[in-house]
Amino acid sequence: SQTIHQWPATLVQPVGSPLSLECTVEGTSNPNLYWYRQAAGRGLQLLFYSVGIGQISSEVPQNLSASRPQDRQFILSSKKLLLSDSGFYLCAWSVGPYQPQHFGDGTRLSIL
Amino acid sequence: EDQVTQSPEALRLQEGESSSLNCSYTVSGLRGLFWYRQDPGKGPEFLFTLYSAGEEKEKERLKATLTKKESFLHITAPKPEDSATYLCAVPANEKLTFGTGTRLTIIP
Repeated sequence: SQTIHQWPATLVQPVGSPLSLECTVEGTSNPNLYWYRQAAGRGLQLLFYSVGIGQISSEVPQNLSASRPQDRQFILSSKKLLLSDSGFYLCAWSVGPYQPQHFGDGTRLSIL
Repeated sequence: EDQVTQSPEALRLQEGESSSLNCSYTVSGLRGLFWYRQDPGKGPEFLFTLYSAGEEKEKERLKATLTKKESFLHITAPKPEDSATYLCAVPANEKLTFGTGTRLTIIP
């Protein structure tokens, strides 16, 4: 069966520090991969998605970036965090663009 | 523009009190509608896929139905463990458009 792992679960970072969140999927090949941010009491905002190694589509302009160095690995990064980057970050995978997405347990990011 | 609207935003029910959650959508060419459950501090958990008007899916106390403009998630005789936020989503332009969810609280 397929599983998705996301870490860390919680992260507290100072403003201006770098960020790296990692997500890996097991049990499937060539998945579509997604990064979302969920603000408190608000919906899911799609940040990036990838349909293959090295291919990244960005949905919103911001100081975040994503990379997909391996088929089942998706990384969310920032060189300098802003206060507005605080939130709940979720990684997800699907077998195709019109199929259900399956989510990890998320990373709660707090910027001080 | 593709849009998904969920109502109500929040719903409090007594244990055993049945009700329905609504998901209205506007999308060109429906390719399915997905329901998710999200517990606090966790990622959404996939529940159902509905593909065509008239289709129904059931899981324990939950039943999802679909019309040409909306979907309902019916919850029958809910228990406190059914408390969660329920999200619906439609695929469009190779992505999912999510509603903002209904926060359901079941009071013992």
